[in-house]
Amino acid sequence: AQKVTQAQTEISVVEKEDVTLDCVYETRDTTYYLFWYKQPPSGELVFLIRRNSFDEQNEISGRYSWNFQKSTSSFNFTITASQVVDSAVYFCALSVYNTDKLIFGTGTRLQVFP
Amino acid sequence: NAGVTQTPKFRVLKTGQSMTLLCAQDMNHEYMYWYRQDPGMGLRLIHYSVGEGTTAKGEVPDGYNVSRLKKQNFLLGLESAAPSQTSVYFCASRLLAEGLYNEQFFGPGTRLTVL
Repeated sequence: AQKVTQAQTEISVVEKEDVTLDCVYETRDTTYYLFWYKQPPSGELVFLIRRNSFDEQNEISGRYSWNFQKSTSSFNFTITASQVVDSAVYFCALSVYNTDKLIFGTGTRLQVFP
Repeated sequence: NAGVTQTPKFRVLKTGQSMTLLCAQDMNHEYMYWYRQDPGMGLRLIHYSVGEGTTAKGEVPDGYNVSRLKKQNFLLGLESAAPSQTSVYFCASRLLAEGLYNEQFFGPGTRLTVL
């Protein structure tokens, strides 16, 4: 069975701090995809990144970076120099190849205070 | 492009009433999904469709029915609403691409309250 665990329910930081959101996944399949989505207070879900299981390169996009480590089954998300606009719930999700479904973690609520 | 739209945005029902939520997408995506989001539980898949005329059960299908008569529309029905179905409902769509799992695009959500 597949599972995604986001152990951090809520994180609070002050603006300009760096923050890392943890994501641990479980699957026995060798081909799979990992995702991060952002849900701001307005409620919509915004796609941030997709990573496949054969690509362990870390990725950086502006202040966002992702660290994928198959050895620890983790796909962590770091926001550098956080801003108030980063306040949101962040979801990590997993999809196994040849299934049509996306399995979500329970989300981490990030609050960035000015 | 409007992307994925959902109708209505808010609804209040009494126990036992029925209703249909409409999801529409203009991206010509093959896959469509219905999720519910409850506090502390993330998003859970209710039903999904891999193409026009096909539907399949997700993780929490009981109490819901779906139909996909047109490629661009995916309807979620509650025949006899219960308070346990109070939730935020999200629709999503995804493009079929051989050998690749593309990201899902989400609608804005429908907040449903069952009294």
